[in-house]
Amino acid sequence: YELTQPPAVSVSPGQTATITCSGEHLLNFFVCWYQQKAGQSPVLVMFRDDERPSGIPQRFSASKSDRTANLTITGAQLSDEAVYYCQLWGLHADGLFGPGTTVSVL
Amino acid sequence: VQLQESGPGQVKPSETLSLTCGVSGDSIKRGYYWGWVRQPPEKGLEWIGSILHNGHTFYSPSLKNRVSISFDTPRNQFCLNLTSVTAADTATYFCVRSILNASSGYNFWGPGILVTVSS
Repeated sequence: YELTQPPAVSVSPGQTATITCSGEHLLNFFVCWYQQKAGQSPVLVMFRDDERPSGIPQRFSASKSDRTANLTITGAQLSDEAVYYCQLWGLHADGLFGPGTTVSVL
Repeated sequence: VQLQESGPGQVKPSETLSLTCGVSGDSIKRGYYWGWVRQPPEKGLEWIGSILHNGHTFYSPSLKNRVSISFDTPRNQFCLNLTSVTAADTATYFCVRSILNASSGYNFWGPGILVTVSS
């Protein structure tokens, strides 16, 4: 099983960025998303497809179809510059990460 | 909840990599998925495996023949063993805990420990 993410996404401050995670039969799994800044441990920003952990800003949202999961940053800020990873959770596929997308805010 | 990885920073090829994750602020037997994730230098995240509070384990298909995760209950910690290491196993290793006591996502991460495989 394999996940695909675009290597890079650019967004202007205040605009909307969408990061895609593509795979097959994603409806069979939960998808979560992580943000990793340089030199830091990853941070969970979305889990179980569209739930936001406590403390994560509301500008982060997520959705999913059978072949694509999306992480959306509405009103991107400079502090959102990071690498974003999707991850699958589900029977027999717990844990698989996507390759990561570098988000630049400029 | 705080997690802290510990272990040797260098392992020789063909030997076994052994790491421990110390847990504070929670009990490893209370529920949740506890696990390990690694990241080779300048590369992406790779899931290694998880252990549930009841001891059931899930491993990455690509590592399952070499990896084991277990609890050290008296010390409230869990351990990773990876056998027959090669240079490809050089990475920062993170221990993690899930946000829910079910398939969800890893909300707690240790700071990570860099392990280099070299003679």
